[in-house]
Amino acid sequence: KAGVTQTPRYLIKTRGQQVTLSCSPISGHRSVSWYQQTPGQGLQFLFEYFSETQRNKGNFPGRFSGRQFSNSRSEMNVSTLELGDSALYLCASDTGGAGTGELFFGEGSRLTVL
Amino acid sequence: AQRVTQPEKLLSVFKGAPVELKCNYSYSGSPELFWYVQYSRQRLQLLLRHISRESIKGFTADLNKGETSFHLKKPFAQEEDSAMYYCALADYGNNRLAFGKGNQVVVIP
Repeated sequence: KAGVTQTPRYLIKTRGQQVTLSCSPISGHRSVSWYQQTPGQGLQFLFEYFSETQRNKGNFPGRFSGRQFSNSRSEMNVSTLELGDSALYLCASDTGGAGTGELFFGEGSRLTVL
Repeated sequence: AQRVTQPEKLLSVFKGAPVELKCNYSYSGSPELFWYVQYSRQRLQLLLRHISRESIKGFTADLNKGETSFHLKKPFAQEEDSAMYYCALADYGNNRLAFGKGNQVVVIP
């Protein structure tokens, strides 16, 4: 079956703009997690959704938000972009919850903020 | 707080030499730990988990609760082992996997 799909794969924005990233999980997976990956900090947890409900949120400012739709697809939004938001944003899905251990990751959306 | 520490950022080893990636964790409950790997231009994927106690691609990892460690080992490194490795801790109460900062492994031919 198809893997986790993230769009767009690459994007360039300027400071102050906002961006929306999309994630389509593996069919049948109801949990979607988002991570920010940077060389210095590794993988940092943003939030996790299950059945359209945000169950947990990481330590990121309110500019970072997300949602999940009834078909389990998820979006994350970053408003008022800052240079430090440049990163690879990874989406991962699994069947029953992010705590089960095996997350299936997408290829990521690489955001560059100029 | 649940935390995963991978002390070495970059590890260079010669082909055929042993490789060991260190991972330490802090967790109040019964830990469940994993190693994930990201090869160049590939997605992050699960390498192994401690509960399965199996060897994957020659890698093993033993959970040591006394030392709160879950080090990844391979006796003879291969060039295809060059990748980024992340140790992760299941934080079921918060529905998330907590990852370490990762180890970049470079195997020198």
